[in-house]
Amino acid sequence: DAGVIQSPRHEVTEMGQEVTLRCKPISGHDYLFWYRQTMMRGLELLIYFNNNVPIDDSGMPEDRFSAKMPNASFSTLKIQPSEPRDSAVYFCASSSWTGGFSYGYTFGSGTRLTVV
Amino acid sequence: AQSVTQLDSQVPVFEEAPVELRCNYSSSVSVYLFWYVQYPNQGLQLLLKYLSGSTLVKGINGFEAEFNKSQTSFHLRKPSVHISDTAEYFCAVSGVMGAQKLVFGQGTRLTINP
Repeated sequence: DAGVIQSPRHEVTEMGQEVTLRCKPISGHDYLFWYRQTMMRGLELLIYFNNNVPIDDSGMPEDRFSAKMPNASFSTLKIQPSEPRDSAVYFCASSSWTGGFSYGYTFGSGTRLTVV
Repeated sequence: AQSVTQLDSQVPVFEEAPVELRCNYSSSVSVYLFWYVQYPNQGLQLLLKYLSGSTLVKGINGFEAEFNKSQTSFHLRKPSVHISDTAEYFCAVSGVMGAQKLVFGQGTRLTINP
């Protein structure tokens, strides 16, 4: 199992540009989460999906952020237009509720986004 | 809703000394509890978890944690730390029923001095 795979690992973009972050969850996991990590705010949950359906997007900062999960093996987080305050590390995580128990999340290595 | 408080933002200790990282949680329902470790420039890695049963949970790298329901705590301990344990440690909680949204604490930076 290759784990949760995120791409790109690093992204530097200019303010106003569109940014797309990608995530491939662990096969068989039915939950997918997008988190943002900054020094000031720590780990913030942006949105999560269950069986490809968005369940809670209350953490998405504003309309510039959108996320999709077209199938069980792929999700994207898009920022359009990007702003310097969006600079952060974005993590994707997946998990399974097999048998009704939570086994915790498996995190990807993250995408470090810098908006200049 | 659940919340987590990690009582120390930074903990410096000497190599081979014992360490305890403190975590308190708040919840109106039964919970699952987790500790994650984040090494520099990496994602979060699960150290250990409490789901049910024995309140003393053993994890990877010699860490253990004890669930104390009356004190709503889940402190992480290691009897003897190594330089390689230098990292950020996160406590997290989720409700047993319903959505499995994990709520994380702010993290504790553990620094091991030689």
